[in-house]
Amino acid sequence: DVKVTQSSRYLVKRTGEKVFLECVQDMDHENMFWYRQDPGLGLRLIYFSYDVKMKEKGDIPEGYSVSREKKERFSLILESASTNQTSMYLCASRTGAADTQYFGPGTRLTVL
Amino acid sequence: QQQVKQSPQSLIVQKGGISIINCAYENTAFDYFPWYQQFPGKGPALLIAIRPDVSEKKEGRFTISFNKSAKQFSLHIMDSQPGDSATYFCAASTGNTGKLIFGQGTTLQVKP
Repeated sequence: DVKVTQSSRYLVKRTGEKVFLECVQDMDHENMFWYRQDPGLGLRLIYFSYDVKMKEKGDIPEGYSVSREKKERFSLILESASTNQTSMYLCASRTGAADTQYFGPGTRLTVL
Repeated sequence: QQQVKQSPQSLIVQKGGISIINCAYENTAFDYFPWYQQFPGKGPALLIAIRPDVSEKKEGRFTISFNKSAKQFSLHIMDSQPGDSATYFCAASTGNTGKLIFGQGTTLQVKP
């Protein structure tokens, strides 16, 4: 079974703080993705990575950065958290040869 | 700009009834159309997917109908059960990029 884990289920931060969200997958998948989920907007792609040290912007990259130093780990960084970044953040992974993305349980981030 | 539009936003169906969720897309280059199911507190999980070379795909009680000329596809859940109560997302992607564009989501409630 593919397992994608995220470091925190719930996180509360203050405006201006630097926030790290961690994602780890255990299936040696090449591709990893970060989405945010908001009611009425569905899931929107923030950043993705095709392989180690590779990253590409998704549809809403502003205010975010990512890091992928090891194949199993993909980090999302909010350099200076703002209230409009309060959201559910979902990480996903897939092997480059298949279509299915496997999602983690999500991190609900609240920025006060 | 929402490239994949999903309706309805919410749906209530009696047990044993048919649930129908619709999606419309704009980009004719899309060639992969999955549906994801998300239960509360969990990440989305792939339910069923279709490619545009077929007009219908059935897996158990779940069927995707695809209309290429109308640029629409829909999910039909036959004999809906209370355990089907979840949020459903349609999505679309191009080539093997893995970049999924999601619809807004539909919250389905199946009443006993």
